[in-house]
Amino acid sequence: GAVVSQHPSRVICKSGTSVKIECRSLDFQATTMFWYRQFPKQSLMLMATSNEGSKATYEQGVEKDKFLINHASLTLSTLTVTSAHPEDSSFYICSARDPKRRSSYNEQFFGPGTRLTVL
Amino acid sequence: ILNVEQSPQSLHVQEGDSTNFTCSFPSSNFYALHWYRWETAKSPEALFVMTLNGDEKKKGRISATLNTKEGYSYLYIKGSQPEDSATYLCAFYSGSARQLTFGSGTQLTVLP
Repeated sequence: GAVVSQHPSRVICKSGTSVKIECRSLDFQATTMFWYRQFPKQSLMLMATSNEGSKATYEQGVEKDKFLINHASLTLSTLTVTSAHPEDSSFYICSARDPKRRSSYNEQFFGPGTRLTVL
Repeated sequence: ILNVEQSPQSLHVQEGDSTNFTCSFPSSNFYALHWYRWETAKSPEALFVMTLNGDEKKKGRISATLNTKEGYSYLYIKGSQPEDSATYLCAFYSGSARQLTFGSGTQLTVLP
């Protein structure tokens, strides 16, 4: 149980275009999902927390107009990188909490990630 | 900014060797310490959630210990196998930040 998928796994785009990444909880309903970014040799850094039916909460330094997050259903959150530039090239990974597990320790289930390359 | 460090950054061991690596984290506002195993092209897989000082948890050949007073956790793998090759991540959950803060991982390669 607690499987999270992410699509696409890899995307290459031209500078100035927008890219959408999908994160789905396959066998549970996720009221809260998280988006992380990882640069080479660095740790996963939280970008934003996505709550179903409400606006995402962004971490300091993350531009909300550039990284649009939509969590319109209990099983799907999307991250859209708008007007992508080469410096946005990174590994993006999502995670979700399963509310049925009632954990107070912030247990999260991760997708496999998306490698974005902006030319 | 919370500082979570993992060492070593990478490690090569021979099949059958036992190995261990470290996660250090702030000793204040401790709530939980998570360990994940992350194979290439797959999702990080939860191994343990450590919550109490002195905790020791075991899953097959993998075990972990926790010292919240001095701010470290050890992950041990007994009799390493090639399928243990992965990056092992720890993540600190503090009562104040209310988010997971990750270390940069230890990349383990087990040579046959």
